[in-house]
Amino acid sequence: AQSVAQPEDQVNVAEGNPLTVKCTYSVSGNPYLFWYVQYPNRGLQFLLKYITGDNLVKGSYGFEAEFNKSQTSFHLKKPSALVSDSALYFCAVSSPSGAGSYQLTFGKGTKLSVIP
Amino acid sequence: SQTIHQWPATLVQPVGSPLSLECTVEGTSNPNLYWYRQAAGRGLQLLFYSVGIGQISSEVPQNLSASRPQDRQFILSSKKLLLSDSGFYLCAWSVQGPWETQYFGPGTRLLVL
Repeated sequence: AQSVAQPEDQVNVAEGNPLTVKCTYSVSGNPYLFWYVQYPNRGLQFLLKYITGDNLVKGSYGFEAEFNKSQTSFHLKKPSALVSDSALYFCAVSSPSGAGSYQLTFGKGTKLSVIP
Repeated sequence: SQTIHQWPATLVQPVGSPLSLECTVEGTSNPNLYWYRQAAGRGLQLLFYSVGIGQISSEVPQNLSASRPQDRQFILSSKKLLLSDSGFYLCAWSVQGPWETQYFGPGTRLLVL
């Protein structure tokens, strides 16, 4: 069984400071890892994903994430936070699930608040 | 480019009434399609997924059902809604493959009273 943990329900950061949203995972085999962002009453938007190769993945809106196999982590980072980054962030892991489908397992989400 | 639509955007229904939520995808063929429910603005629960027309897999036993009458159309239904069916319902699509991104629709907010 695969699982994702986002240990922080909420992260507060001052505008202009670096931000980190943490994610750890458990999966048999190679992990395929994703980050999504959700604004209030909206669907999820894809930010970035790790498949293989370089452990540092760059994505949309200046976000990046670092894959660490030994720590089974995939933390989301941004060098300088904006107020508009305030949203709910989801980490997800994928693995094969039979019948040609590949299911995403999501973490419970971390609410990011960027304080002006 | 691909686009995913969901309707209605918001729905208020009495307990015991039927439900039909629709999801359509444009700009791609033979997508995988997914229905999720999100309760209280947090974690997502996969309800159904489909790898082709008429092929539906259920992840959680409940009073909901799903159908895929056309390649790019995915419908979530219920014969009798329960209070616990309230939530935010999200449809998503992807191409096949474990590393393929799922793209989400705008969602339907369902309130059962």
